[in-house]
Amino acid sequence: GAGVSQSPSNKVTEKGKDVELRCDPISGHTALYWYRQSLGQGLEFLIYFQGNSAPDKSGLPSDRFSAERTGGSVSTLTIQRTQQEDSAVYLCASSLGGRSPDTQYFGPGTRLTVL
Amino acid sequence: AQSVSQHNHHVILSEAASLELGCNYSYGGTVNLFWYVQYPGQHLQLLLKYFSGDPLVKGIKGFEAEFIKSKFSFNLRKPSVQWSDTAEYFCAVNARTGGFKTIFGAGTRLFVKA
Repeated sequence: GAGVSQSPSNKVTEKGKDVELRCDPISGHTALYWYRQSLGQGLEFLIYFQGNSAPDKSGLPSDRFSAERTGGSVSTLTIQRTQQEDSAVYLCASSLGGRSPDTQYFGPGTRLTVL
Repeated sequence: AQSVSQHNHHVILSEAASLELGCNYSYGGTVNLFWYVQYPGQHLQLLLKYFSGDPLVKGIKGFEAEFIKSKFSFNLRKPSVQWSDTAEYFCAVNARTGGFKTIFGAGTRLFVKA
């Protein structure tokens, strides 16, 4: 079946502009995660959504970052007033729900470059 | 706060050599543990996971990992690596009381010489 998809695959923007990154999880997966992957930094947890529970936003690095998940499916990560340090690959993953996280299925990522 | 430490950032091995990648985490409670792998040009994918039971876990492609609770470790091993194992490997930890939040290590880049 279809995996996790993300769009755009690449985004180049100017410092100060807002960007929106989209994630389509695997159908039926109730948990959705966003991570940021910077060179040599591994995956940095940003936020996760699980079912109807309040999202865990504890990883968002500043109030310029926000995310929403509409209808329990598609999610959008928004970065306002982008800075050069926001340049990274943004990864989305989804997993089945339940009481604890199981295998996460990752999308191809969005490579964000802030000039 | 939880953290995950992977001791080696870059590892170079010849084919047929044995592999052990270290992973330590800082959380005193019950955890779920994962190793993910990212092959060149591919998405991150699960290699193996541990939730409970036998602390020696076997995954795909001949990989295994051992959970040692007293050492807060979950090291990844393979007796004999192949060129196709060239990839980046990530250890990840979920604290059972932390909901679905999963913390990843910085990754280890493995290069296997043919």
